[in-house]
Amino acid sequence: GNSVTQMEGPVTLSEEAFLTINCTYTATGYPSLFWYVQYPGEGLQLLLKATKADDKGSNKGFEATYRKETTSFHLEKGSVQVSDSAVYFCALIGSNYKLTFGKGTLLTVNP
Amino acid sequence: KAGVTQTPRYLIKTRGQQVTLSCSPISGHRSVSWYQQTPGQGLQFLFEYFSETQRNKGNFPGRFSGRQFSNSRSEMNVSTLELGDSALYLCASSGTSGSHEQYFGPGTRLTVT
Repeated sequence: GNSVTQMEGPVTLSEEAFLTINCTYTATGYPSLFWYVQYPGEGLQLLLKATKADDKGSNKGFEATYRKETTSFHLEKGSVQVSDSAVYFCALIGSNYKLTFGKGTLLTVNP
Repeated sequence: KAGVTQTPRYLIKTRGQQVTLSCSPISGHRSVSWYQQTPGQGLQFLFEYFSETQRNKGNFPGRFSGRQFSNSRSEMNVSTLELGDSALYLCASSGTSGSHEQYFGPGTRLTVT
């Protein structure tokens, strides 16, 4: 079946530092890939997506590229802010319409 | 466009009781999925409905059930509650885009005592 493995945190950075959260996946066919973010006490917000190989998803300074050869979808941001502190989930969806999530990575950004 | 709404936001129940949670999807979305989030198991898929039909189901016991109405609103029901059912229950809706991205509601926090 489908699975997602992401870097487990917690990750603690200083403001303006560079962020990378690694994500690799196992899936049959050609899944769509997503990053979701969850702020304390809230549901999940779709951060970015990519639907085919070499697609780059981007939003709010975050980027991730769909790499089929390495089955990866790593999340990056050049300069994090305190407001980026949250839990980040990598996920995929295949032909069964079911989102499969990684375990989540807690990011804390200190001023 | 209004987002996905879930009611109630918080719920406290006793073991053995049953509970019904409600979800209203984004206008025009016909697919509704439910997920359970716990610290130990993370995010787990419960089921997905499209046009009032259950299209996919996760690995949960039969005590967990759901349905979807003709206006795409969905409910999930948990009978004979157990302490382990304490969780955040998230509903997500999806439109017709090819990527099937799902948009989540704020969740219902269920506590079973």
